[in-house]
Amino acid sequence: NAGVTQTPKFRILKIGQSMTLQCTQDMNHNYMYWYRQDPGMGLKLIYYSVGAGITDKGEVPNGYNVSRSTTEDFPLRLELAAPSQTSVYFCASSPRVETQYFGPGTRLLVL
Amino acid sequence: DQQVKQNSPSLSVQEGRISILNCDYTNSMFDYFLWYKKYPAEGPTFLISISSIKDKNEDGRFTVFLNKSAKHLSLHIVPSQPGDSAVYFCAASGSNFGNEKLTFGTGTRLTIIP
Repeated sequence: NAGVTQTPKFRILKIGQSMTLQCTQDMNHNYMYWYRQDPGMGLKLIYYSVGAGITDKGEVPNGYNVSRSTTEDFPLRLELAAPSQTSVYFCASSPRVETQYFGPGTRLLVL
Repeated sequence: DQQVKQNSPSLSVQEGRISILNCDYTNSMFDYFLWYKKYPAEGPTFLISISSIKDKNEDGRFTVFLNKSAKHLSLHIVPSQPGDSAVYFCAASGSNFGNEKLTFGTGTRLTIIP
């Protein structure tokens, strides 16, 4: 039981490039989330999903897209990377909203 | 608009003493509160939670207190141990708005001094 896995661990992007951050959970959780954490700040919700085929915007969705075609996977897409998207990204899953299980994070640097 | 606030960015405590981490919230619709702990280069892990129908919840060395009238909660760790050194996030959710999302505070870095 691996829990929540995220790939890659670290990535450097040039401005304007695109990439997909992968997130997979093997706990059969319905709820999945994407957060970003900037230095000295809390976790800001980007997008979330309450089940396969259902996604909704969080607090800071601009510049990102998501899809949820299966229960296990919840990829986050950056289409046109900007320096403001430099952050650490965390994926989480939950059987119910309160207790969320987090992945180890993806550190993204946009130059 | 920071609905969950942790006003102390850092806290240092001697090993064996009590650590008290504080959290304030502004949205009266929040009815469930959690504390998460985060080590460097890892994701946050759930520590303890409390429902608004309680004013205290205890789990081993960790106790969370909720004061609804003051919109304030605190996490007590006693006795503090070196392994408790981490960043602690307070989070809140509300059943009135679907209970689907957590709102996190900015975190408090706790350092336990041996």
